[in-house]
Amino acid sequence: DTAVSQTPKYLVTQMGNDKSIKCEQNLGHDTMYWYKQDSKKFLKIMFSYNNKELIINETVPNRFSPKSPDKAHLNLHINSLELGDSAVYFCASSQRTSVTGELFFGEGSRLTVL
Amino acid sequence: KNQVEQSPQSLIILEGKNCTLQCNYTVSPFSNLRWYKQDTGRGPVSLTIMTFSENTKSNGRYTATLDADTKQSSLHITASQLSDSASYICVVTYSGTYKYIFGTGTRLKVLA
Repeated sequence: DTAVSQTPKYLVTQMGNDKSIKCEQNLGHDTMYWYKQDSKKFLKIMFSYNNKELIINETVPNRFSPKSPDKAHLNLHINSLELGDSAVYFCASSQRTSVTGELFFGEGSRLTVL
Repeated sequence: KNQVEQSPQSLIILEGKNCTLQCNYTVSPFSNLRWYKQDTGRGPVSLTIMTFSENTKSNGRYTATLDADTKQSSLHITASQLSDSASYICVVTYSGTYKYIFGTGTRLKVLA
């Protein structure tokens, strides 16, 4: 009964390819996020959607395109993959009206670009 | 610049020992501060949340403290277990928004 689920968990691909990572949450939250965790384990925000509307778009190359078909889903599509895109990508969700605003994370998707 | 800094960067202790992790922040205005535990290969999971008015909060063997005046928080782990080996991340939330500022994390290794 996973709260935030991401697929795939592992992804190995060649430079120049296009790939997608999918995320779904069953917590009824209204806000979803994509974070990138580099080799030093630092979590960096990439995008955030609130009720399907983009609210945070950090300085991410436009090769990365998020899509939120509904508030329970947030997908990440990456075009023309580069070596530097290798990282673990985490999806998270929260309820913006919650007093505490706890972030709930998925298990991560490890992307390796060869 | 709003930042969250953690120390030490990494820590190795023997099973059964206690340890304390530090988090200093400059985020203002401040809403709350969370400590997350991230096991290897897993997503971060919240351990505890501290709001402006709280000084101490416990969750089992984990005790978090907050000094809002000096903008410092600590996470104390008592009687460490092998399963405590993980990264511990301090996350501060801006007041009035849901922007989260992440610390750089402390990697804890507990040895038998």
